[in-house]
Amino acid sequence: DAGVIQSPRHEVTEMGQEVTLRCKPISGHNSLFWYRQTMMRGLELLIYFNNNVPIDDSGMPEDRFSAKMPNASFSTLKIQPSEPRDSAVYFCASSSLARMSEQYFGPGTRLTVT
Amino acid sequence: GENVEQHPSTLSVQEGDSAVIKCTYSDSASNYFPWYKQELGKRPQLIIDIRSNVGEKKDQRIAVTLNKTAKHFSLHITETQPEDSAVYFCAASTAGNQFYFGTGTSLTVIP
Repeated sequence: DAGVIQSPRHEVTEMGQEVTLRCKPISGHNSLFWYRQTMMRGLELLIYFNNNVPIDDSGMPEDRFSAKMPNASFSTLKIQPSEPRDSAVYFCASSSLARMSEQYFGPGTRLTVT
Repeated sequence: GENVEQHPSTLSVQEGDSAVIKCTYSDSASNYFPWYKQELGKRPQLIIDIRSNVGEKKDQRIAVTLNKTAKHFSLHITETQPEDSAVYFCAASTAGNQFYFGTGTSLTVIP
């Protein structure tokens, strides 16, 4: 298995632009998590899905952030418009709902908004 | 919701010594406690986990202990090596699968 796949790995964009981050979870996993990591705030859960349904989006910082999971093998996190304070590493993770189990993290997307 | 506190935030030890990182949690319903290691520029990866029906678990140089009554759990690394240098995160999870992460401990092992 290739593990959790994220794209792009690096993104540099100007303030005001739309940014879309993509994630492919591990095949067979039915939970998907989006995290943001910064030095100041550590690892923050933004939103998570079970069986493609958003369960908790209370961590989404503002309406500028949105996430979708149209099917079991794909999710997007969109920021529109982006701001410099959105600069961070964004991780996607997946796990199995069947039992308490580890979350497998993707390699992350390093976002820089100038 | 759950609140996980982690201490210390930074830790330096001499190679060969032991390192201990402690976490407390608030929700008595939490029943799964994973520990993740994150090397610089890389993704967090699970190193050990423990479930609430177990008090201690060991895997080579790494061990985790859980005290449900006091609501705290600890990571113990013995005979530390330079490659153990990383940021370590604890987490707690209830019957759902949402993880509540601690703020991380930056461990430096001095050769």
